[in-house]
Amino acid sequence: DAMVIQNPRYQVTQFGKPVTLSCSQTLNHNVMYWYQQKSSQAPKLLFHYYDKDFNNEADTPDNFQSRRPNTSFCFLDIRSPGLGDAAMYLCATSRVSGQGIYNEQFFGPGTRLTVL
Amino acid sequence: QKEVEQNSGPLSVPEGAIASLNCTYSDRVSQSFFWYRQYSGKSPELIMSIYSNGDKEDGRFTAQLNKASQYVSLLIRDSQPSDSATYLCAVNVANDYKLSFGAGTTVTVRA
Repeated sequence: DAMVIQNPRYQVTQFGKPVTLSCSQTLNHNVMYWYQQKSSQAPKLLFHYYDKDFNNEADTPDNFQSRRPNTSFCFLDIRSPGLGDAAMYLCATSRVSGQGIYNEQFFGPGTRLTVL
Repeated sequence: QKEVEQNSGPLSVPEGAIASLNCTYSDRVSQSFFWYRQYSGKSPELIMSIYSNGDKEDGRFTAQLNKASQYVSLLIRDSQPSDSATYLCAVNVANDYKLSFGAGTTVTVRA
């Protein structure tokens, strides 16, 4: 089945120790998104790739970076995790064409990040 | 004003009843609307998409859209304990493909 895969499902890191989360997809979607979701809050978009073009949200801290080496993979790098970065990190994909407004986003299972 | 607002909940309904969830949005040019279901500790799962005014039915779920009132709702008929989850409303913003999410309404179905 076509799907969005995230690894690892659970990540524990120490304060300030860099961490990388990965996302892969078999849907052949051209847009990949990274969201941060804290308990009882809406998912917050950090950034997304439209094909190879990187789009950062204005309020995403510089501590968060992303890479998309090919169509199928996308990585989220947290350079120096703080206690406030503990959250669920969600990868989503969509196929966007033309005006692109009628797109559905599909989420992976998420990575739960704990910062000690 | 938040871009997408949902009734705060939690919403508790007896098994077999109808659960009604509401969502309002601020951007008049929004054209695509989605409902996601999120079980505790899991990721959001798309359950309904709606783009035109009126009702759209899928099994026990009915989405209703009123663009003039900037309002979208989700009805869950014959609610089951397995429907207990948080339901997120998502709306495209600024005539763009990005989505803005509401904070969600938590539904508990009592057996």
